[in-house]
Amino acid sequence: KQEVTQIPAALSVPEGENLVLNCSFTDSAIYNLQWFRQDPGKGLTSLLLIQSSQREQTSGRLNASLDKSSGRSTLYIAASQPGDSATYLCAVSETGNQFYFGTGTSLTVIP
Amino acid sequence: DAGITQSPRHKVTETGTPVTLRCHQTENHRYMYWYRQDPGHGLRLIHYSYGVKDTDKGEVSDGYSVSRSKTEDFLLTLESATSSQTSVYFCAISGRVALMNTEAFFGQGTRLTVV
Repeated sequence: KQEVTQIPAALSVPEGENLVLNCSFTDSAIYNLQWFRQDPGKGLTSLLLIQSSQREQTSGRLNASLDKSSGRSTLYIAASQPGDSATYLCAVSETGNQFYFGTGTSLTVIP
Repeated sequence: DAGITQSPRHKVTETGTPVTLRCHQTENHRYMYWYRQDPGHGLRLIHYSYGVKDTDKGEVSDGYSVSRSKTEDFLLTLESATSSQTSVYFCAISGRVALMNTEAFFGQGTRLTVV
């Protein structure tokens, strides 16, 4: 069974800092990997989707990379802002449909 | 919200009663999912559907059943609710028909409390 781990579980940074969130998975035979953001009491918002054939995806201040062979993905957030405070979740899919989730990294950006 | 509506958004029910949660999509996605989210466990898949009347179990399916009679609707039923089923339930969709797009989108969640 695929196991997804996110480290650290919580992170607090001052505004303006660049930061990296980590996601690791145990089985490298994945179809894709997706990063989500979740605000308290809300649903999940899709941030970036990386197909297994891709190495990275970018959207605005966000950049996600994928290294299948080592079972790792990173989410890079540039010039963090207080509005970036949320829980960030990564999910991997082995077949393009079922997703396995990590428990998330809770990010606080201090003004 | 990618055209996903969950109902109800909040529900309190008594142990032993049946409960049905509804997920409705307007995006014509092939796959629909029900997840539950609990502290310390993250999101876990309960059941999913890959088409009308085509469903399969996820990792925490015991005590739950699902039905999909139309592309746009996916129902999750707790036949006899237990306190261990107190959770936040999320519906998700993926696989837009006719496109090779596997991005998943989530609803806003249903907070269920079993007392």
